[in-house]
Amino acid sequence: DAKTTQPPSMDCAEGRAANLPCNHSTISGNEYVYWYRQIHSQGPQYIIHGLKNNETNEMASLIITEDRKSSTLILPHATLRDTAVYYCIVRSNFGNEKLTFGTGTRLTIIP
Amino acid sequence: NAGVTQTPKFRVLKTGQSMTLLCAQDMNHEYMYWYRQDPGMGLRLIHYSVGEGTTAKGEVPDGYNVSRLKKQNFLLGLESAAPSQTSVYFCASSYTRAREQYFGPGTRLTVT
Repeated sequence: DAKTTQPPSMDCAEGRAANLPCNHSTISGNEYVYWYRQIHSQGPQYIIHGLKNNETNEMASLIITEDRKSSTLILPHATLRDTAVYYCIVRSNFGNEKLTFGTGTRLTIIP
Repeated sequence: NAGVTQTPKFRVLKTGQSMTLLCAQDMNHEYMYWYRQDPGMGLRLIHYSVGEGTTAKGEVPDGYNVSRLKKQNFLLGLESAAPSQTSVYFCASSYTRAREQYFGPGTRLTVT
């Protein structure tokens, strides 16, 4: 699976959009981009995933660049409950089962 | 619908003791996984199962055994606990390999 690079930490004001970047320059054609988050010491929570088109669900939007080398997770109206560590994961839906969590981005929502 | 549950939530073991962690899911998922998370690190896959009666090794399987006798349950065993196994253990399940994984709340294990 391709490696990802994320900033270690970010702050965002409550009510504003939080934009979390992820670099995955070695992504291959059959690899998806997944986003999970982990709030304090809870189990990770799935947010969204995509292959090449932009995706939106009730939690967030995922914007993937045309060359697929980077993506941005957007939380449209951040709340204090969105404070968490956000993990960007690149994974093929074939092959080994490993879901490789890096160190992620610690997002802090400021009141 | 409880999702993924884990038992126990906390446990302290002495070196050499054994224990079993239980994971249960009520979503009829085929795939189940055991991960460990050490301080400041991401999750690492220990073992996984692609269906009832199957198990396979993940990234860090040494010192652990697993069993999946029933589709809804996935057990993680430590036969002889070591301090290096002090960690938070997360179980997860997914409908298929391609679908998102749902995680349990975790078990905090300390081995002294």
